[in-house]
Amino acid sequence: DVKVTQSSRYLVKRTGEKVFLECVQDMDHENMFWYRQDPGLGLRLIYFSYDVKMKEKGDIPEGYSVSREKKERFSLILESASTNQTSMYLCASSLQGGVQPQHFGDGTRLSIL
Amino acid sequence: RKEVEQDPGPFNVPEGATVAFNCTYSNSASQSFFWYRQDCRKEPKLLMSVYSSGNEDGRFTAQLNRASQYISLLIRDSKLSDSATYLCVVIHSGTYKYIFGTGTRLKVLA
Repeated sequence: DVKVTQSSRYLVKRTGEKVFLECVQDMDHENMFWYRQDPGLGLRLIYFSYDVKMKEKGDIPEGYSVSREKKERFSLILESASTNQTSMYLCASSLQGGVQPQHFGDGTRLSIL
Repeated sequence: RKEVEQDPGPFNVPEGATVAFNCTYSNSASQSFFWYRQDCRKEPKLLMSVYSSGNEDGRFTAQLNRASQYISLLIRDSKLSDSATYLCVVIHSGTYKYIFGTGTRLKVLA
């Protein structure tokens, strides 16, 4: 079974802080993704990576950056957290090839105060 | 118009009923399709892929209609445990982009 692990289930941070969300997968997947999910808006892609040190912007990259130094780990960074970044953050991974399904981590519910 | 559209529901059905959801997509270059299930405050989990010829997994049947650009999910003999939100996913050919619908909420009532 694919295991995607996110570092925290719940996180509370303050406006202006730099926030790190970590994601690790154990199935040697090439592709990794970061989404946020908000009521009524569904899942929105922030960034994705198809290889180590490679990254591509998704639909809403503003205010975020990512890092992929190792194949199994994909980090999402909120450079200066703001209240509108309060959300559920979901990491996913998949094998390379456009027809492969994504497998999700448990999610991190982030609150910015 | 959204690229992928789903009726948000909720669909309230009694136990044992058959229920069907549709998901329409606008890009004819869409190549691959999936249904995911998401429980409240949990992550989406893959339910099934959708193949051109239609496919079945136990009580669940998925179908694709390319001409009308929609996929469907049929659930037979609904169980209380089927209560969840069902998300459809569409992937465009030659891209890494997975387009998620906003989900259809199902409540199965005792």
